[in-house]
Amino acid sequence: DTAVSQTPKYLVTQMGNDKSIKCEQNLGHDTMYWYKQDSKKFLKIMFSYNNKELIINETVPNRFSPKSPDKAHLNLHINSLELGDSAVYFCASSSRQDGEQYFGPGTRLTVT
Amino acid sequence: SQQGEEDPQALSIQEGENATMNCSYKTSINNLQWYRQNSGRGLVHLILIRSNEREKHSGRLRVTLDTSKKSSSLLITASRAADTASYFCAPGTGGFKTIFGAGTRLFVKA
Repeated sequence: DTAVSQTPKYLVTQMGNDKSIKCEQNLGHDTMYWYKQDSKKFLKIMFSYNNKELIINETVPNRFSPKSPDKAHLNLHINSLELGDSAVYFCASSSRQDGEQYFGPGTRLTVT
Repeated sequence: SQQGEEDPQALSIQEGENATMNCSYKTSINNLQWYRQNSGRGLVHLILIRSNEREKHSGRLRVTLDTSKKSSSLLITASRAADTASYFCAPGTGGFKTIFGAGTRLFVKA
């Protein structure tokens, strides 16, 4: 069983569209994260949820809205997509602060 | 939270050689983690070393931590082509925010 899964794996869309990426973890972790990895491979944290509550919200355009319907899921909705949103988005989870994080396989978003 | 800075940016070695990567950070930490990322994949946790530990082993991996110098090193012994990946360190200062550096890109030539 996959520990952290993301769908879709690839997403190609046009500027101005709205899209969602889903993430699910079956590890029983309380904390989930969204990261963005750009073409230079820098991995930047976007959001962190702990027990379904938002605890980290980095300087991310408000076109990005995370939603955690339960502890096992953290989805990312992006409105009005822009070219600069093209990147690989990773979901991760952990059982505690500063603890080992388990990453999903990533979603490669391409905005044309 | 703080970012770890990995050094070198890139490293190319022959299969069978040892690979050493370094990480520096700026403030006190609770622990430090190392992750590996294969091309096109998510990060995989390799090892966590606590601030009161100086050295830790896991298979062919050896991690050292020098809190007085605020640095850590990751040694991969007898490297294999499959070790080709990017390696990231993540200093843990408490809290939920982990800041990753740019990583070290390791190329192991067969």
